[in-house]
Amino acid sequence: EPEVTQTPSHQVTQMGQEVILRCVPISNHLYFYWYRQILGQKVEFLVSFYNNEISEKSEIFDDQFSVERPDGSNFTLKIRSTKLEDSAMYFCASRPAGYDTQYFGPGTRLTVL
Amino acid sequence: AQKVTQAQTEISVVEKEDVTLDCVYETRDTTYYLFWYKQPPSGELVFLIRRNSFDEQNEISGRYSWNFQKSTSSFNFTITASQVVDSAVYFCALSEVSNGGGADGLTFGKGTHLIIQP
Repeated sequence: EPEVTQTPSHQVTQMGQEVILRCVPISNHLYFYWYRQILGQKVEFLVSFYNNEISEKSEIFDDQFSVERPDGSNFTLKIRSTKLEDSAMYFCASRPAGYDTQYFGPGTRLTVL
Repeated sequence: AQKVTQAQTEISVVEKEDVTLDCVYETRDTTYYLFWYKQPPSGELVFLIRRNSFDEQNEISGRYSWNFQKSTSSFNFTITASQVVDSAVYFCALSEVSNGGGADGLTFGKGTHLIIQP
């Protein structure tokens, strides 16, 4: 069964550094999403992406965040200058057109020191 | 604005007991989607069920059942004859309809941590 994959599984970085989190959505899916979950808290929507552009973003998704689909398979989340409060689990999700369920990847745990 | 409330922060039951996880939602949209996801200790999010707002039919899948009531804006989840492997955090989520007709960004509740004791 196809799955969403994410790399790396754990990323440790210094405050102020740039990080890129990578996701490979399920191959026939057209809508892509990023969510984050601060330890012990709820999952929060960051951004949705369709047809090579952002379709919706939350208040959390400020100028330090960006997303890109650099090729036909990868979907990336970039954090330009990480802060301590960016430490969280970041989940990628995808879904096909016209179908409602988002399928999540295993997550990347980001630790900012 | 959308909101999902899972008032039960943690529930602990003994194996084989039935348990119901509550979910109450708020939305101004007439068309929306509701979901339940399971997050086991390993951390991934596992899809359990999706419900469209115009489909109030309850659903049963093995030991799992879901009760959707628009009149009370609730979408409750019951596990019958619970097992230790059911121990996880369970999230209820809500989404509006996107321009493409499918669900867009999910609004999650805070989750209910379910502990099944042997």
